[in-house]
Amino acid sequence: GAVVSQHPSWVICKSGTSVKIECRSLDFQATTMFWYRQFPKQSLMLMATSNEGSKATYEQGVEKDKFLINHASLTLSTLTVTSAHPEDSSFYICSASRDNYGYTFGSGTRLTVV
Amino acid sequence: DAKTTQPPSMDCAEGRAANLPCNHSTISGNEYVYWYRQIHSQGPQYIIHGLKNNETNEMASLIITEDRKSSTLILPHATLRDTAVYYCIVRPHIKAAGNKLTFGGGTRVLVKP
Repeated sequence: GAVVSQHPSWVICKSGTSVKIECRSLDFQATTMFWYRQFPKQSLMLMATSNEGSKATYEQGVEKDKFLINHASLTLSTLTVTSAHPEDSSFYICSASRDNYGYTFGSGTRLTVV
Repeated sequence: DAKTTQPPSMDCAEGRAANLPCNHSTISGNEYVYWYRQIHSQGPQYIIHGLKNNETNEMASLIITEDRKSSTLILPHATLRDTAVYYCIVRPHIKAAGNKLTFGGGTRVLVKP
């Protein structure tokens, strides 16, 4: 089966620093990867869609200069939260697809900014 | 994606069948019904999907009404590990770049001993 690994599973960082989250498809090549954010007791909110080798497409209201997405290979996408602030504390989840209609999710990264 | 409506929460007894409803009255002809679940602090897990026929797999059964405006996910014998938020999503089942999954509020299911 398709497996997506997300790392780290949790991270605590100081306000003003940057944090990188990795999403890897372990046994398939992901043509498309998605990044979601989830606040407590809320649903998943799509942040951006990334295709290998091209710029990410961000959803309305998501700051592309703050949430940098890189999809340099068919098995790896990274999300960097730049100049993190406490309001960026959230659960970040990636999803990968090899065929653009089946999706596998990572286990999520809990980011706490102090 | 077409909008779906689910009850915000429901309880069910361990060992009993759990029937989770979903309304999708604006579903279009090429859209499938997908179900995912999210156990606390984990990523969503695919359960099942269907177009118009009833579907069954090792996890659950999916019953779609004839007019396709609603569906029911059935967990035949709920266990405590089935406690999760269940999401019903409708979207085209086509290989299109950027074909994204949009999550609604879901149903928070609590399986009680």
